[in-house]
Amino acid sequence: EDQVTQSPEALRLQEGESSSLNCSYTVSGLRGLFWYRQDPGKGPEFLFTLYSAGEEKEKERLKATLTKKESFLHITAPKPEDSATYLCAVQSYSGGSNYKLTFGKGTLLTVNP
Amino acid sequence: SAVISQKPSRDICQRGTSLTIQCQVDSQVTMMFWYRQQPGQSLTLIATANQGSEATYESGFVIDKFPISRPNLTFSTLTVSNMSPEDSSIYLCSVQGLGSNEKLFFGSGTQLSVL
Repeated sequence: EDQVTQSPEALRLQEGESSSLNCSYTVSGLRGLFWYRQDPGKGPEFLFTLYSAGEEKEKERLKATLTKKESFLHITAPKPEDSATYLCAVQSYSGGSNYKLTFGKGTLLTVNP
Repeated sequence: SAVISQKPSRDICQRGTSLTIQCQVDSQVTMMFWYRQQPGQSLTLIATANQGSEATYESGFVIDKFPISRPNLTFSTLTVSNMSPEDSSIYLCSVQGLGSNEKLFFGSGTQLSVL
């Protein structure tokens, strides 16, 4: 069974203080690893998909990286508007449903001005 | 990208009653998905809804409790039946974008509280 563990559960940063969020996963065969952002009262918003170890993707202050066991979401010089819950999910070849994603519990990021 | 409208956005219901959640997509999609997000827990897939066929339920979820309709390629409903306080959760509709490598788009969710 696919498993996703995100750490830390919560993270408080000062504006401009860079940090990283971790997503550790166990899958029988990785098809893709996804990062989403979720604001209170809203559905998850897609950020990145990573497919193979060594792959990196960037968007504004966010950079996602992938190894064979984990993914990191690096946040450089964060701003208060980056405050949200960040979700990691994996999709594997062995899933009963072709498009089933297994999510972690998320990291609640708060950026103080 | 797909725009997903979900109704109601929130509701407070009595134990033993049922609630039907609607999901409308602005484009035709083959597969629609219903997720549950309980407090402090991860998003969990309830079922996959294909147009013209019965929904496929994940382990731990049954049709009698969560009946799903999919009358066309842009619309689906999820009913939470005979509710109990344990059903209090956020319910989310999602679809896969066309040619987007299985990227999912989500509606804004329905916040359900059962008293």
